[in-house]
Amino acid sequence: DVKVTQSSRYLVKRTGEKVFLECVQDMDHENMFWYRQDPGLGLRLIYFSYDVKMKEKGDIPEGYSVSREKKERFSLILESASTNQTSMYLCASSIGGYNEQFFGPGTRLTVL
Amino acid sequence: AQKITQTQPGMFVQEKEAVTLDCTYDTSDPSYGLFWYKQPSSGEMIFLIYQGSYDQQNATEGRYSLNFQKARKSANLVISASQLGDSAMYFCAMREPLSGNKLTFGGGTRVLVKP
Repeated sequence: DVKVTQSSRYLVKRTGEKVFLECVQDMDHENMFWYRQDPGLGLRLIYFSYDVKMKEKGDIPEGYSVSREKKERFSLILESASTNQTSMYLCASSIGGYNEQFFGPGTRLTVL
Repeated sequence: AQKITQTQPGMFVQEKEAVTLDCTYDTSDPSYGLFWYKQPSSGEMIFLIYQGSYDQQNATEGRYSLNFQKARKSANLVISASQLGDSAMYFCAMREPLSGNKLTFGGGTRVLVKP
């Protein structure tokens, strides 16, 4: 079974802090994705990556950056956290662009 | 304009009955894919079923089936014989090659199965 893990289930940070959210997948998938989920808005794509050291902006990249130094790991970085970044963050991976995405358990981030 | 629309924010269904979750989409890409995901209260998104735009038959996976009406641009999920464990949020999503094969999600429908 594909396993996608995220470093924390719950995280509380203060405004202005630098925040790292880590995602690891164990199935050698090329593609990895970061979404945020807010009530009524569904999931919105922040960034994605098709390969190591490659990254593409999604629909809402502002205020975020990403890093993919190894194939299995995709990190989401909030350079200076703000209260409007309080949300559920979901990481996903897929074997190819046409295939279903497998999701991690999510990180619920609260920025105070 | 919304790419994926789920008009039912929430619904109740009696255990053992069938339920249909609506999903309409908007795309000019002739080749696209439609996905349904389930999100229980634990938060993890679980892939349920996939329908490709060129598939001739409606997709089925166990108790899940997809009522694909291409001309109407709808891809409704049908869950037969509902179980208490089906209580969850359900999301419809679309993949468009012209958009780099990203997934675009609808707002979701919350289903609560009553015993």
